[in-house]
Amino acid sequence: AQSVTQLGSHVSVSEGALVLLRCNYSSSVPPYLFWYVQYPNQGLQLLLKYTSAATLVKGINGFEAEFKKSETSFHLTKPSAHMSDAAEYFCAVTEGRYSTLTFGKGTMLLVSP
Amino acid sequence: NAGVTQTPKFQVLKTGQSMTLQCAQDMNHNSMYWYRQDPGMGLRLIYYSASEGTTDKGEVPNGYNVSRLNKREFSLRLESAAPSQTSVYFCASSERQANTEAFFGQGTRLTVV
Repeated sequence: AQSVTQLGSHVSVSEGALVLLRCNYSSSVPPYLFWYVQYPNQGLQLLLKYTSAATLVKGINGFEAEFKKSETSFHLTKPSAHMSDAAEYFCAVTEGRYSTLTFGKGTMLLVSP
Repeated sequence: NAGVTQTPKFQVLKTGQSMTLQCAQDMNHNSMYWYRQDPGMGLRLIYYSASEGTTDKGEVPNGYNVSRLNKREFSLRLESAAPSQTSVYFCASSERQANTEAFFGQGTRLTVV
């Protein structure tokens, strides 16, 4: 069965600092992995996804993530945080041909001036 | 370009009352989902419909029923609301394959008193 662990319910960074949000997955077959972002009082929107084409995936708003099979990780990074990046971030996994998304519990990113 | 539309956006119910949350998508997607979001719990799947005419239970189906009315619409019904069903509910849709992203509605914030 698939599962996702996000380390840290809250992460605080200063504007301009590196953003690192951690995600580890458990899957019995090669997974598909996603990062979603949720701004206050809104739905979720896709940041990026890994579907086995390339291990380093670039997404919107300068975010990227690297799939590391040996570490079962898919950490999200951004070189320089912006105030507008403050939001909640969710890592999610699917496996198999027609499976549904399983989400991690989310990480709230706080950006200070 | 509406995407996924949920109604209502807010609702307050008394314990024991019933209500139906409506969801419609205009992207011609085969699959539709209902999730609930609770603080610190991430998003948990209530029910999903892989295609018109089929529905399946997710992780937390107790106390809910669903109807896939046609390819566009997927409703969630609470027959006898309980305070434990206080949550934010999200509808989503996607193509059927597991490597495709899900598109989310704006959510329904439900309070049961």
